[in-house]
Amino acid sequence: DAKTTQPPSMDCAEGRAANLPCNHSTISGNEYVYWYRQIHSQGPQYIIHGLKNNETNEMASLIITEDRKSSTLILPHATLRDTAVYYCIVTAGGTSYGKLTFGQGTILTVHP
Amino acid sequence: GAVVSQHPSWVICKSGTSVKIECRSLDFQATTMFWYRQFPKQSLMLMATSNEGSKATYEQGVEKDKFLINHASLTLSTLTVTSAHPEDSSFYICSHRGRAEKLFFGSGTQLSVL
Repeated sequence: DAKTTQPPSMDCAEGRAANLPCNHSTISGNEYVYWYRQIHSQGPQYIIHGLKNNETNEMASLIITEDRKSSTLILPHATLRDTAVYYCIVTAGGTSYGKLTFGQGTILTVHP
Repeated sequence: GAVVSQHPSWVICKSGTSVKIECRSLDFQATTMFWYRQFPKQSLMLMATSNEGSKATYEQGVEKDKFLINHASLTLSTLTVTSAHPEDSSFYICSHRGRAEKLFFGSGTQLSVL
């Protein structure tokens, strides 16, 4: 799996958009970009994933650059409950999907 | 979607005892489950892949005789930490692939070995 680079921490005001960047310059053509988050002392939670097109679901939006070397996770209206560690993971998927390599992630702190 | 039930949520045991952690897939038949471990202030590390009806495959550096994995049915995988020692104290998390290439995680088990 390609390596990802994320800032160690970010702050965001409640109600504002949180934009979490991720660099994955060595991504391969068949690798997806996944985002998970982990709230303290809980298991990770799936947020969103994409291959090359931008994606949106009820939780977030994922913007992938045209060269696919970086992406941004957007939480449109952050709440205090969005405080968590956010992991950007690049993986090929398929039958080997599930053997994820978690980096250190970004600690997002949403403050009032 | 899929729901993964893991228990116990936390367990405290004496050094030398064995601890069993259960991971159940409540609404999805999971032929494959994954076990991760997370030490304090560190990220998750994959320990092993549990395959229904066959032997688990372990990641490099993980002792298969110490971390026994059983996946006897499509809905249940168990991890037994045998002869636990304080260095085995960690947060253990199971997961499985659901539909649409998503990975669903249990709520985790905090193991503290005294």
